[in-house]
Amino acid sequence: GAVVSQHPSRVICKSGTSVKIECRSLDFQATTMFWYRQFPKQSLMLMATSNEGSKATYEQGVEKDKFLINHASLTLSTLTVTSAHPEDSSFYICSATGGFQETQYFGPGTRLLVL
Amino acid sequence: AQSVTQPDIHITVSEGASLELRCNYSYGATPYLFWYVQSPGQGLQLLLKYFSGDTLVQGIKGFEAEFKRSQSSFNLRKPSVHWSDAAEYFCAVPTQGGSEKLVFGKGTKLTVNP
Repeated sequence: GAVVSQHPSRVICKSGTSVKIECRSLDFQATTMFWYRQFPKQSLMLMATSNEGSKATYEQGVEKDKFLINHASLTLSTLTVTSAHPEDSSFYICSATGGFQETQYFGPGTRLLVL
Repeated sequence: AQSVTQPDIHITVSEGASLELRCNYSYGATPYLFWYVQSPGQGLQLLLKYFSGDTLVQGIKGFEAEFKRSQSSFNLRKPSVHWSDAAEYFCAVPTQGGSEKLVFGKGTKLTVNP
């Protein structure tokens, strides 16, 4: 199956700093990537949809200026958490798909802890 | 809006026993349906998917699921559970027809007793 990687796997940062998370599709071209947030013992919450070469589409309630998404190529999308606060601590997961009716393949996730 | 309900938050079975995880969906037309599994601290792995055709779908790791339109269900089954199957299981359906976005159920945590 298709492989999606995320880097870093975990990160600890100070409050007020910015953190960048990378999501890469390793063996296929991802026309669309998704960013999810998962709180402990809860389901995935879709944050935004990212299409290569265009602006990301954010879900209702997600601050686009806080969670900056860039999808510069068909294999890479980045999520930058700007001016991170402790309440941003969470598990962030990306997924990638090659197109409509294609399966979403998920990355292993990034654990963010903001002190 | 489409939705997915997983009625069981937590299920415990003994190793070697059979397993059925329930999933009910609300969808306007014939849906695409997915089951994913998540081990602790990991991303999600696709177990199986239903797009069309045969309503009994075979997946990886010995799992299967049956689409029942009359019951709006897509239950996941395994005849004999292994200790390594302990994980969180999520059912998912597209948010709307033609959309790549998925909506997930709240998940069912599976515990396997030796």
